[in-house]
Amino acid sequence: DADVTQTPRNRITKTGKRIMLECSQTKGHDRMYWYRQDPGLGLRLIYYSFDVKDINKGEISDGYSVSRQAQAKFSLSLESAIPNQTALYFCATSDSQGTGNTIYFGEGSWLTVV
Amino acid sequence: KQEVTQIPAALSVPEGENLVLNCSFTDSAIYNLQWFRQDPGKGLTSLLLIQSSQREQTSGRLNASLDKSSGRSTLYIAASQPGDSATYLCAVRQYFTFFPLLNTPLVFGKGTRLSVIA
Repeated sequence: DADVTQTPRNRITKTGKRIMLECSQTKGHDRMYWYRQDPGLGLRLIYYSFDVKDINKGEISDGYSVSRQAQAKFSLSLESAIPNQTALYFCATSDSQGTGNTIYFGEGSWLTVV
Repeated sequence: KQEVTQIPAALSVPEGENLVLNCSFTDSAIYNLQWFRQDPGKGLTSLLLIQSSQREQTSGRLNASLDKSSGRSTLYIAASQPGDSATYLCAVRQYFTFFPLLNTPLVFGKGTRLSVIA
């Protein structure tokens, strides 16, 4: 089983619909992240959480919200999806111990907003 | 604001060739730099992590170097193989003088898409 699991892996949704992407991890890490990847723009950070009670906005948080339901779960919501939110979304985790910690990524969730 | 640039954006080489991928960053105040590999439609896999106090790291045919003062890192791939074809991304973890223990998120470059032709 993957250490970082994202669901759904693919989703097509209509403009204005609410969509949630879920992420769970089995690595016991306290830090979790949501990134989106667009062609030509690389990975951009949406939100991150350093523990269950901590939520921080990233570079492009507008139009998104998150919930850290437990240490192992971090979900990303699009309250009213729009076409320019079509992208590949990645969840990631890392350990808080030291600054040399590696980050682990999920397989990604393809979201298409039509 | 930290910016990470990777050149070239795409690279195609014949099998067996040694190659170098470049990464530059604008703010040298970093904790570390990581190189990742991404296969099409897949997540990222960490290849090498170099701490700010280190000059290089090696793993198999991969060697990553770091020159923090000049804001540069290179990923050297020896004897390239078709299986090395992927997008390679570098990312830096920022250091903040007034919050030295703050474990900040990574800032990514846009990647170099590598094709190794058999």
